[in-house]
Amino acid sequence: KNEVEQSPQNLTAQEGEFITINCSYSVGISALHWLQQHPGGGIVSLFMLSSGKKKHGRLIATINIQEKHSSLHITASHPRDSAVYICAVPYGGSQGNLIFGKGTKLSVKP
Amino acid sequence: EPEVTQTPSHQVTQMGQEVILRCVPISNHLYFYWYRQILGQKVEFLVSFYNNEISEKSEIFDDQFSVERPDGSNFTLKIRSTKLEDSAMYFCASSVDPGPGNTIYFGEGSWLTVV
Repeated sequence: KNEVEQSPQNLTAQEGEFITINCSYSVGISALHWLQQHPGGGIVSLFMLSSGKKKHGRLIATINIQEKHSSLHITASHPRDSAVYICAVPYGGSQGNLIFGKGTKLSVKP
Repeated sequence: EPEVTQTPSHQVTQMGQEVILRCVPISNHLYFYWYRQILGQKVEFLVSFYNNEISEKSEIFDDQFSVERPDGSNFTLKIRSTKLEDSAMYFCASSVDPGPGNTIYFGEGSWLTVV
């Protein structure tokens, strides 16, 4: 079974700072998900990536398949980025059967 | 943007009662999922559903749980006889297909409190 580890568990930043959240997993995968859980509890899919790098606005996700590691970066962080960021990987070959990390709670102060 | 909708947003129920959580997946999606998150813990996979049958289920999804798509639009999770430990946020999700190139879209969640 794949183990998913995220770091840090908690992160406090000042507005404008560059943020990095890390995710490592133990077994090779076909794709990795980055999710955002906002304070109300709902989950939004940010990225799904299987190689390289993806960018959406101020968010950048990278993955290194060989090293079994992915990072989520937030440039010019803003208080509205405050949320829990979760990394998830498929169990076996199935996309929906996901193993989730514990999440990184990000708080961006104005 | 199309979205997955869930009802109710919050339900309080007595232990031993049956609960049905409802979801309306995105209209052209074919694969449906339920997850749960106990307060303070990780999100966990419960079940995936395709073509009117369960594709995969986790160890959590025991005989007290069932899913169905009763009318071609709703996707429901039924808990037959709730226990205190069923208190959690339940998320419905859907995707176009299960391949690695497809995003999974989550609903806002249904918070279930068993008393």
